[in-house]
Amino acid sequence: ELKVEQNPLFLSMQEGKNYTIYCNYSTTSDRLYWYRQDPGKSLESLFVLLSNGAVKQEGRLMASLDTKARLSTLHITAAVHDLSATYFCAVFYSGAGSYQLTFGKGTKLSVIP
Amino acid sequence: NAGVTQTPKFRVLKTGQSMTLLCAQDMNHEYMYWYRQDPGMGLRLIHYSVGEGTTAKGEVPDGYNVSRLKKQNFLLGLESAAPSQTSVYFCASSGQGMREQFFGPGTRLTVL
Repeated sequence: ELKVEQNPLFLSMQEGKNYTIYCNYSTTSDRLYWYRQDPGKSLESLFVLLSNGAVKQEGRLMASLDTKARLSTLHITAAVHDLSATYFCAVFYSGAGSYQLTFGKGTKLSVIP
Repeated sequence: NAGVTQTPKFRVLKTGQSMTLLCAQDMNHEYMYWYRQDPGMGLRLIHYSVGEGTTAKGEVPDGYNVSRLKKQNFLLGLESAAPSQTSVYFCASSGQGMREQFFGPGTRLTVL
């Protein structure tokens, strides 16, 4: 069974600061996704990481994937209030005819002015 | 191009009642999924489909049934609703290769 762990689950940070969210997973996978969810809203795709060493950046967010360590990071640079949301990582698993994404529990980020 | 749509947006049921949630996508995607989201639990996969006429169980399938009679639609049924099924339900779809899943707006279901 694939397990996905995010930490921290809650993060309160000041504007202008940097921080990293970690996503660890238990089974071999070469695909990992990051999503953002605003309160009461649906999930918005941020990054799709498809290979070991993949790094993607969009604005103040940068995601990376290390498949050997089974670890992905979402780095926030110089946080602004608009980044306040819940961030989910999701790991792709395929085996025995099954194709699934397993989600972490999410990291609720609050950026304080 | 509406993407992924879900009907209804909100619903209140009494224990034992039945209902069907409808998901529709206009992106010609092969794969479709139903998730439930509960506080502190992330999203958990209920059932999914890799093509028209096919369905498979996910992580938490008990108490739910699904059907995919048309490629663009994926239905989630609750035959006898229970309070434990109070949740927000999300539908998603993806194309070949599962490079990205696109999510619908969600259905908030309360079972009393």
